[in-house]
Amino acid sequence: EAGVTQSPRYAVLQEGQAVSFWCDPISGHDTLYWYQQPRDQGPQLLVYFRDEAVIDNSQLPSDRFSAVRPKGTNSTLKIQSAKQGDTATYLCASSPGTGVDTEVFFGKGTRLTVV
Amino acid sequence: AQSVTQPDARVTVSEGASLQLRCKYSYSGTPYLFWYVQYQRQGLQLLLKYYSGDPVVQGVNGFEAEFSKSDSSFHLRKASVHWSDSAVYFCAAMPNYNVLYFGSGTKLTVEP
Repeated sequence: EAGVTQSPRYAVLQEGQAVSFWCDPISGHDTLYWYQQPRDQGPQLLVYFRDEAVIDNSQLPSDRFSAVRPKGTNSTLKIQSAKQGDTATYLCASSPGTGVDTEVFFGKGTRLTVV
Repeated sequence: AQSVTQPDARVTVSEGASLQLRCKYSYSGTPYLFWYVQYQRQGLQLLLKYYSGDPVVQGVNGFEAEFSKSDSSFHLRKASVHWSDSAVYFCAAMPNYNVLYFGSGTKLTVEP
């Protein structure tokens, strides 16, 4: 079974540039998460979807970050006008629903460096 | 504040020694609890999980964890570590059964 796939694996930007990250979840998983993991820290939730609907985006810096999942399958996270503070690994994860006995599966992440 | 706390940022042990990595949570009720491992440049991999029942849960590669409601803890243990266990370990909670919240991680180094 294919896991959660993310691309690109690495990105290097100058401040002010834009970047998009793409995630292909495990087939059949209706819940998709985006996490930000700064260096030497734990992952922090940015946003999550159930099918195409945003369930919680309260931690997404809405002025520069956006996330979509238009058909309830793949998802794109976009950063407009990146800042050095955005340097982190961006993790995508998926799960087959929520609730009892839910397991969340993670992709390998996209490592972003903003210089 | 609701949170997951891993008080030890770095732990170093000798190969063959026993291991305990500490985790405390601060949520009302009893959240689902997890330990994940992250090898260098790899994704997070689930080691074990606790939902209810027996407070000692077994995971992969000889890891186990013990839940304590009185102490609000979920410590990870291994009887004898191997050099390949060197990685970053994350404790996580799922308080509302829908989103994982992570601690800051403990970097484990196993010395030969």
